[in-house]
Amino acid sequence: NAGVTQTPKFQVLKTGQSMTLQCAQDMNHEYMSWYRQDPGMGLRLIHYSVGAGITDQGEVPNGYNVSRSTTEDFPLRLLSAAPSQTSVYFCASRGQGANEKLFFGSGTQLSVL
Amino acid sequence: DAKTTQPTSMDCAEGRAANLPCNHSTISGNEYVYWYRQIHSQGPQYIIHGLKNNETNEMASLIITEDRKSSTLILPHATLRDTAVYYCIVRAYSGAGSYQLTFGKGTKLSVIP
Repeated sequence: NAGVTQTPKFQVLKTGQSMTLQCAQDMNHEYMSWYRQDPGMGLRLIHYSVGAGITDQGEVPNGYNVSRSTTEDFPLRLLSAAPSQTSVYFCASRGQGANEKLFFGSGTQLSVL
Repeated sequence: DAKTTQPTSMDCAEGRAANLPCNHSTISGNEYVYWYRQIHSQGPQYIIHGLKNNETNEMASLIITEDRKSSTLILPHATLRDTAVYYCIVRAYSGAGSYQLTFGKGTKLSVIP
């Protein structure tokens, strides 16, 4: 199993550009989520999904869109990038049991100029 | 979910036990204690979790006080590869699958040769 795969690993955008961060998992996990981590900070939840067709907002959803058309994929879209969105983005997934481990991808480092 | 308090940083000599404390004085009866760690800039990695009883796995031991207001993560023989940020997380159980994990700033553990 590859686990949770994120692409790209690095990305530089100009203010106002749009892009999609990809996340895929091969563990048949129902739950998937996106976090962002700013320097010296903990992770903050952006959006999450408990299954295909279901998404919900986390702590910091503004400026980001998500969709969940399949169990495997959970892309994160930045419609109009802003410098405040410069961060490291982590995708994570887990099973739907009561105490499932959260598995993380290796992250995408995004810089918005 | 109850808030947690962890020291900002700790040092541990290689080969010695690393004891990482976490205070969660407002924890309620149905809240679990989870520990994750983040090595360098990788995605966080699950270590262990518990409710009331002490727990042990191949990575670490978790000691929860009888009143559940604090806990200690123990790495029995720390190695240089254990240098990481360790996150203590408390979360409520609200039905299978319907919970989020909130990551604070954690404790930066430095294992010294």
